Amino acid sequence: KNEVEQSPQNLTAQEGEFITINCSYSVGISALHWLQQHPGGGIVSLFMLSSGKKKHGRLIATINIQEKHSSLHITASHPRDSAVYICAVGLNDMRFGAGTRLTVKP
Amino acid sequence: EAGVAQSPRYKIIEKRQSVAFWCNPISGHATLYWYQQILGQGPKLLIQFQNNGVVDDSQLPKDRFSAERLKGVDSTLKIQPAKLEDSAVYLCASAFGGSEQYFGPGTRLTVT
Repeated sequence: KNEVEQSPQNLTAQEGEFITINCSYSVGISALHWLQQHPGGGIVSLFMLSSGKKKHGRLIATINIQEKHSSLHITASHPRDSAVYICAVGLNDMRFGAGTRLTVKP
Repeated sequence: EAGVAQSPRYKIIEKRQSVAFWCNPISGHATLYWYQQILGQGPKLLIQFQNNGVVDDSQLPKDRFSAERLKGVDSTLKIQPAKLEDSAVYLCASAFGGSEQYFGPGTRLTVT
């Protein structure tokens, strides 16, 4: 069993829909990251959090330390949100989930 | 502030050939990472440098992979000889000490 599990693996949504991607982890963590990877391969950090909730524009990330679970929400989804979203835990020893491939159709 | 630079962005080689990737981290970042990301999977750490010293290379296939960071700034990752299963995106990341990592655009390697 992987240390970081994401669901779903693939997600297709219509433009405007509310999207949730889930991440569960089995190790103690200092931080949890949500990363975005576009088809070209580069990775951009969306959030780094260790407790509570963070919001940036249409993106919201929450974490429940007791349940070892985090969610990434996208409100009013748009085709440009189409990407792979990766959950990762740790700082200098990051462990990564396999990613969730999101496709938002116009 | 300039981000992490990697080159080339794409490379196609035949099996048994050699290939090298280059990474220039963000200025001042002492920690540099190389990751291998196979299609459909999350990145896997190959090697971590702190300045010019190796911190962790436990998952580096040392019979064919090598990496160096001689002056503690830019780094090269080499594969010799390449196998079909080495087809992947190779990501470089850097960090200021043990803080948040910043990723480069990656090099997509195809071995035929």
